[in-house]
Amino acid sequence: QSVLTQPPSASGTPGQRVTISCSGSASNVGVYTVNWYQQRPGTAPKLLIYSNDQRPSGVPDRFSGSKSGTSASLVIGGLQSEDEADYYCAAWDDSLKGRGLFGGGTKLTVL
Amino acid sequence: QVHLQESGPGLLKASQTLSLTCTVSGGSISSAVYYWNWIRQSPGKGPEWIGYMSDRGAYYNPSLESRITISTDTSKNQFSLKLSSVTAADTAVYYCARSPKWEVLRLDYWGQGTLVTVYS
Repeated sequence: QSVLTQPPSASGTPGQRVTISCSGSASNVGVYTVNWYQQRPGTAPKLLIYSNDQRPSGVPDRFSGSKSGTSASLVIGGLQSEDEADYYCAAWDDSLKGRGLFGGGTKLTVL
Repeated sequence: QVHLQESGPGLLKASQTLSLTCTVSGGSISSAVYYWNWIRQSPGKGPEWIGYMSDRGAYYNPSLESRITISTDTSKNQFSLKLSSVTAADTAVYYCARSPKWEVLRLDYWGQGTLVTVYS
């Protein structure tokens, strides 16, 4: 079980808004910024959100991120079929001398 | 545009040492701004951060550090991963990726990944 906890699955219909959560602790999400990745089958993860709420160039503004306390959220507004993918949160963690952590992932299905 | 490409054997026998190389183009691995990371992903699981190399040296995931060495060849603009005493649990797609020093998990450029399978 991952230290960063995500729901294993999420779903929505085209046009809907979907929220994916990432729950951590005081040693990771509580003190470090959260990044989000999108991964389609057979490809490398793609940076979607960095520094909690910033979008890299080229990422549609339908994707947004936020953080409060030891939890973070990724919101996808105006869901599109191409958004069907796995989504991972990631953050640094102070335990065990310091390490990078990824969540277990959320598989998003567009119905 | 930064490009990373992993290379190395795709099949290993248990107890051997895994050796992978990441060739970087479009950016220098000697940069004082970036970390050069290794990440792996076992089938059906989330990614696992292995460690990084920088101009000041390497840092490893404490859960793996007894078996890991990350090194660089600046003349070839490459960095490498060695993982000793592999087991079936080390079967995964291995990725190299770049991140800025101020945010290690902000991995902005990734290689395509290379599948390493360990058999007994």
